[in-house]
Amino acid sequence: GQSLEQPSEVTAVEGAIVQINCTYQTSGFYGLSWYQQHDGGAPTFLSYNALDGLEETGRFSSFLSRSDSYGYLLLQELQMKDSASYFCAVKDDYKLSFGAGTTVTVRA
Amino acid sequence: ETGVTQSPTHLIKTRGQQVTLRCSSQSGHNTVSWYQQALGQGPQFIFQYYREEENGRGNFPPRFSGLQFPNYSSELNVNALELDDSALYLCASSLRGTDYEQYFGPGTRLTVT
Repeated sequence: GQSLEQPSEVTAVEGAIVQINCTYQTSGFYGLSWYQQHDGGAPTFLSYNALDGLEETGRFSSFLSRSDSYGYLLLQELQMKDSASYFCAVKDDYKLSFGAGTTVTVRA
Repeated sequence: ETGVTQSPTHLIKTRGQQVTLRCSSQSGHNTVSWYQQALGQGPQFIFQYYREEENGRGNFPPRFSGLQFPNYSSELNVNALELDDSALYLCASSLRGTDYEQYFGPGTRLTVT
């Protein structure tokens, strides 16, 4: 089966940088996805890493180390609208297995 | 491009009843996955459908069943409802081979009393 760990909460001020770590144990691994979910909303896709290294998409970057079973999502230049839950999700051959999520609160 | 839609938005059922939830995939997507999300938790994979066949299943009992139709829309059926089935049910569509990127609908909030 799959097991993912990520911090439950992170609080930061506008303009700051936040890193959300995700460690995983899985019986099958194709890659690591990240999703954002605002309160009452649907999860939306942010990024995917299949290979080791850093992927940058605007203010958000995601990193993967397959040998360490570890990844992180980096949120830069935090804005109030970034207050949301962030989920890492392991992709195996047919499904996504999600972590419990990290609630990010951005303060003015 | 039409996004993923789900119906109904909210539903209240009594323990022991049966429920059917519906989902319309995003235009062009051929794979649909269903998830259960309890409050404060991540989505839990129920099953996935591709070409009208169940393609994989999570750790859910057989009373959770589904269908995918030729137009890629889908249904989730839950029989013999239990109180623990109260949750947000999310449908997500994707393209086979790139289903690390899934497009989620707004969900159906099911309450079982």
